[in-house]
Amino acid sequence: EPEVTQTPSHQVTQMGQEVILRCVPISNHLYFYWYRQILGQKVEFLVSFYNNEISEKSEIFDDQFSVERPDGSNFTLKIRSTKLEDSAMYFCASSPLLGVSGGNTGELFFGEGSRLTVL
Amino acid sequence: GEDVEQSLFLSVREGDSSVINCTYTDSSSTYLYWYKQEPGAGLQLLTYIFSNMDMKQDQRLTVLLNKKDKHLSLRIADTQTGDSAIYFCAESRTGGSYIPTFGRGTSLIVHP
Repeated sequence: EPEVTQTPSHQVTQMGQEVILRCVPISNHLYFYWYRQILGQKVEFLVSFYNNEISEKSEIFDDQFSVERPDGSNFTLKIRSTKLEDSAMYFCASSPLLGVSGGNTGELFFGEGSRLTVL
Repeated sequence: GEDVEQSLFLSVREGDSSVINCTYTDSSSTYLYWYKQEPGAGLQLLTYIFSNMDMKQDQRLTVLLNKKDKHLSLRIADTQTGDSAIYFCAESRTGGSYIPTFGRGTSLIVHP
């Protein structure tokens, strides 16, 4: 069964360092997402991506964050200069369509997450 | 803006029913979801309900929606140890962003 894969599963970094989290979405999906969950808090939306550009982003997704799809299979999230408060579990997700038209339920397919610890 | 609230923990005995509750604020929410996250795995859609429905049943799962109170619940009948997981409530709406807004998840602990 196709699945979303994420690497690394856990990364420890020093404050101020750049981090790249990688995701391979399901191959025939068109929409890609990053969410994050700080320990004990809600799963928060960061950004969505479609047709090689950002389609929507939250207030959290500031200039320190960027996403790209460099080679048609990987979908990456880069944090340029990490802060302590960036420590969280980062989830990548993909979906074949956006929303619930055409019988689509709006389901997102999630990876297992990448745990980022900033020291 | 949208907000989804749910309690953090629920502990039940094996064989009992579990009821996980969720409240949401967006009155235009059209689709409400329950996702399940097992240890070491990603969130996986468990079930969903459209806002024009009051109830949906799927085997051991019953979803109840009270639109007036903006309250969603997930009932698991005959809870098994394999049901131990984190359950996330989420909502999305048509006519705007379809991107789901999630709660913080409820950890369901099933003990023998």
